Amino acid sequence: QQPVQSPQAVILREGEDAVINCSSSKALYSVHWYRQKHGEAPVFLMILLKGGEQKGHEKISASFNEKKQQSSLYLTASQLSYSGTYFCGTDQGAQKLVFGQGTRLTINP
Amino acid sequence: EAQVTQNPRYLITVTGKKLTVTCSQNMNHEYMSWYRQDPGLGLRQIYYSMNVEVTDKGDVPEGYKVSRKEKRNFPLILESPSPNQTSLYFCASSFYPPQGNQPQHFGDGTRLSIL
Repeated sequence: QQPVQSPQAVILREGEDAVINCSSSKALYSVHWYRQKHGEAPVFLMILLKGGEQKGHEKISASFNEKKQQSSLYLTASQLSYSGTYFCGTDQGAQKLVFGQGTRLTINP
Repeated sequence: EAQVTQNPRYLITVTGKKLTVTCSQNMNHEYMSWYRQDPGLGLRQIYYSMNVEVTDKGDVPEGYKVSRKEKRNFPLILESPSPNQTSLYFCASSFYPPQGNQPQHFGDGTRLSIL
């Protein structure tokens, strides 16, 4: 089952914060986050494992609530380089990742 | 340099003409996968392979074939392409299936247009 990401798109000014949500109707073992620049390959950001942990990567962090089957990606003090489409990939226990439809993030100066 | 290499990067072809998109990785990864990306639908898995000679269907396998005769290569075959297979295709690999701490490494993508 494909997870649902929200919002589908968001436009920010440089320095503002953003939250991208990923929600699944199935139980999750882990959640992967990737960023894709236009015309390029998706690039790995981080993996969240069961246990409700929160991970950080400079000003980008994420949380995973396995009971709610949700993960959120937090971008603080956004930079122009954060622009792109963000995908969550969910491990539903079937030897594969199921990706959300993506969230397009635009950062303006 | 560790990488996943896809060829061709771009291809325009006609309905029914068999084509193969190659994928090769130099990281000794066991798990390889093919995705297609369409606007508004995200990345959808076509086929995956756990190891040599072990392949399985993903979520959208219809109209595609794969093979895994060598660990490093995982070609995607469209035996009779149709216009609805026009898409952006990505190959990806990782040491093990995407469970736990195993990020996927993606190739640069192949844009297929089938007329």
